[in-house]
Amino acid sequence: DTGVSQNPRHKITKRGQNVTFRCDPISEHNRLYWYRQTLGQGPEFLTYFQNEAQLEKSRLLSDRFSAERPKGSFSTLEIQRTEQGDSAMYLCASSSDRQQFFGPGTRLTVL
Amino acid sequence: GIQVEQSPPDLILQEGANSTLRCNFSDSVNNLQWFHQNPWGQLINLFYIPSGTKQNGRLSATTVATERYSLLYISSSQTTDSGVYFCAVDNFNAGGTSYGKLTFGQGTILTVHP
Repeated sequence: DTGVSQNPRHKITKRGQNVTFRCDPISEHNRLYWYRQTLGQGPEFLTYFQNEAQLEKSRLLSDRFSAERPKGSFSTLEIQRTEQGDSAMYLCASSSDRQQFFGPGTRLTVL
Repeated sequence: GIQVEQSPPDLILQEGANSTLRCNFSDSVNNLQWFHQNPWGQLINLFYIPSGTKQNGRLSATTVATERYSLLYISSSQTTDSGVYFCAVDNFNAGGTSYGKLTFGQGTILTVHP
């Protein structure tokens, strides 16, 4: 069991650039979640996949954000035209039932 | 949406002390989990405990769903227990379908001194 992995671990970008993050869930998990965490706060839900189907999106997920899970395995989260307010830790979690296991996160800094 | 309140917000202990962290939630839940976020940001799942009591080593948790609270007990604390403890609940869907998206509390920051 290799756990949930995320890449890159850190990303520094300039405002207006596009960024893409990858999440590889635990292999037998069919559910995958993206969360965002800002300093001093708990994680906030962004979106959820069951297999390749995106079943729920938070209102936090503006139209600059898009997520995919094309073959029901890894997932990508893309942010277009980044803004300074997008600076945060982006966390991915996976589960086979209710208990969720998190990856180490990708820390995004937008300059 | 569901509200999750954790207390205390900060807790400072000497190594070896015991502590109790509390999580109150505003509505029915069918999923409650406790996490520890270490200083490197990694969230570790401690318990899945929608009701009842569980124990894992020095940690135990109790959820009283009918009264909408959960408690996390840490006994004989160690410096490695330092970090932020989060309670998270499932935003229960009254139609019976739960996607499992978690709503997190603000966390309790625990510092254990040697």
